[in-house]
Amino acid sequence: EVQLLESGGGLIHPWESLRLSCAASGFTFSTYAMSWVRQAPTKGLEWVSTITSGGTSYYTDSVKGRFTISRDNSKSTLYLQMDSLTADDTAVYYCANNFQYGSSWSGYFDSWGQGTLVTVSS
Amino acid sequence: EIGLTQSPATLSLSPGERVTLSCRASQSVSSSLAWYQQKPGQAPRLLIHNVSNRATGIPVRFSGSGSGTDFTLTISSLAPEDFAVYYCQQRSAWPYTFGQGTKLEIK
Repeated sequence: EVQLLESGGGLIHPWESLRLSCAASGFTFSTYAMSWVRQAPTKGLEWVSTITSGGTSYYTDSVKGRFTISRDNSKSTLYLQMDSLTADDTAVYYCANNFQYGSSWSGYFDSWGQGTLVTVSS
Repeated sequence: EIGLTQSPATLSLSPGERVTLSCRASQSVSSSLAWYQQKPGQAPRLLIHNVSNRATGIPVRFSGSGSGTDFTLTISSLAPEDFAVYYCQQRSAWPYTFGQGTKLEIK
């Protein structure tokens, strides 16, 4: 059974930094693209970032230059380093593994963690 | 950025009814569209990928159709557990985008 467990969220002041983690199990982590998707309170879903199995990363424009996605395949863990946080970054952050067609990754989000809440407030 | 517009925003229906949800893209996404279901306090769940392919374990009452810019998710007979928010999502172009959601509520 696929399990994704996010951690690292909390209350943080504007312009500070935070690192989220996502511990994965139940699948071969190193072969999957992984993503972060966020959801602001009472709002819809927003894709944040994706990292392929080979380490190529993609970001939505609003976080480019501030967020860094990374992975440690030896620990089956996905990370999101978030710098210069603002109130607009307040959201539940979900990690997800990307759906695969055979051995090819896709831009769909298959299994999701339960999310971790990040609140940016002074 | 490709915008996805879902309609209606809210639907009030009874169990057993048939429902069709709409998702319209601001430009063609070909067949690169998925649907997700989200219940209160839970993470989203992938229902349909590439327009019409049910994800693992998704009941056959869920079906998807469409191409280009117009897509639909149909639930043939609503079960009590289907009352939730539904999102469409495109992977045709970066950044990946979601629709704003359609809420199915019990009438």
